[in-house]
Amino acid sequence: GESVGLHLPTLSVQEGDNSIINCAYSNSASDYFIWYKQESGKGPQFIIDIRSNMDKRQGQRVTVLLNKTVKHLSLQIAATQPGDSAVYFCAVLRGTSYGKLTFGQGTILTVHP
Amino acid sequence: EAGVAQSPRYKIIEKRQSVAFWCNPISGHATLYWYQQILGQGPKLLIQFQNNGVVDDSQLPKDRFSAERLKGVDSTLKIQPAKLEDSAVYLCASSLEDGDEQYFGPGTRLTVT
Repeated sequence: GESVGLHLPTLSVQEGDNSIINCAYSNSASDYFIWYKQESGKGPQFIIDIRSNMDKRQGQRVTVLLNKTVKHLSLQIAATQPGDSAVYFCAVLRGTSYGKLTFGQGTILTVHP
Repeated sequence: EAGVAQSPRYKIIEKRQSVAFWCNPISGHATLYWYQQILGQGPKLLIQFQNNGVVDDSQLPKDRFSAERLKGVDSTLKIQPAKLEDSAVYLCASSLEDGDEQYFGPGTRLTVT
């Protein structure tokens, strides 16, 4: 089966710093990787995704890096803002059905003004 | 565009009681998911519907949990009887079709005492 883990359960940064959230996965056959942001009292919100045939993808202030050799995924947030404070989950998928999405435990990001 | 609606937002019950949650997906979304999110963990899929049919219920504890989506639109998830370990947030998500991005509702926080 698939298991997804995170290196650090909490991360505290100052406003304006860059944040890096890490994630390890176990199944080398995983095809698709997604980062979600979950604010208190809300459901997870899609941030960015990457497919296994890529090693980097950039969005607005966010970059996801995929290292398939060591089965590691990271989310980089540039110029972190207080509104970025939330729990961040990585999720991995094998195949194309979202129903097989496996979520990691989550990292709590706290941004101090 | 209206998001995924869930009710109630909070529910407190005693063990062995019954409870039901309701979800109204985004209009036109054929695929609907119910997840269980225990505190400090990522969501875990309970059941996936495609229109009014079940696609995957392999992780649904069928001795106490049931779900239906009779008309292929809104859905209910029921727990009968509840156990202490059922305390969690129950998230509903929908997607246009299986394999498309999922949109999550705010969840129902269940506390079983």
